[in-house]
Amino acid sequence: DGGITQSPKYLFRKEGQNVTLSCEQNLNHDAMYWYRQDPGQGLRLIYYSQIVNDFQKGDIAEGYSVSREKKESFPLTVTSAQKNPTAFYLCASQDGWELFFGSGTQLSVL
Amino acid sequence: QQQVKQSPQSLIVQKGGISIINCAYENTAFDYFPWYQQFPGKGPALLIAIRPDVSEKKEGRFTISFNKSAKQFSLLIMESPPGDSATYFCAASMMTAGGTSYGKLTFGQGTILTVHP
Repeated sequence: DGGITQSPKYLFRKEGQNVTLSCEQNLNHDAMYWYRQDPGQGLRLIYYSQIVNDFQKGDIAEGYSVSREKKESFPLTVTSAQKNPTAFYLCASQDGWELFFGSGTQLSVL
Repeated sequence: QQQVKQSPQSLIVQKGGISIINCAYENTAFDYFPWYQQFPGKGPALLIAIRPDVSEKKEGRFTISFNKSAKQFSLLIMESPPGDSATYFCAASMMTAGGTSYGKLTFGQGTILTVHP
């Protein structure tokens, strides 16, 4: 089955801890994105990557980091500098003008 | 200038009813306007999209109306079954801009649609 796989589905972070959200795609898409979803605020862009070994900050990149060492993988690290990390995180890849989203990771703070 | 404003925040209709969701934008460089549908606990999926060279696009029960001069676009959903209950997002992008702007979608705040049986 082709698609975007995000894991884990639920993640809990302790104060001061870094956590990494996984995003894998087997669609052979070059561009990948990370969005954060908060109730009533829509989706906001954190980071995006148009090609391997290159990525750009989105609108709310502070407190987050990414890497793009392989075409298939675009992991997101939520660092301890992100003071309000509780949100639903969505990864997407792009084919032409369409974004294909994963099923998301719900991150909560313990 | 990058914002997309969406209304209403929520909408309740009866089965078979009609829904209209509106979006407004400021950036005249936007040239691609998709609507995404999201079910609880899932990622959004593309529903329908329009380019500014047409004023209306219809796919089944879903119609986008686009008003370039007013910088507004709307989603009309006809004859909804309860299965249409979801959150709907409008978005906009500068698809022909190239460079680092290509493909970046700016989303509206979302509209929660509830269709009662």
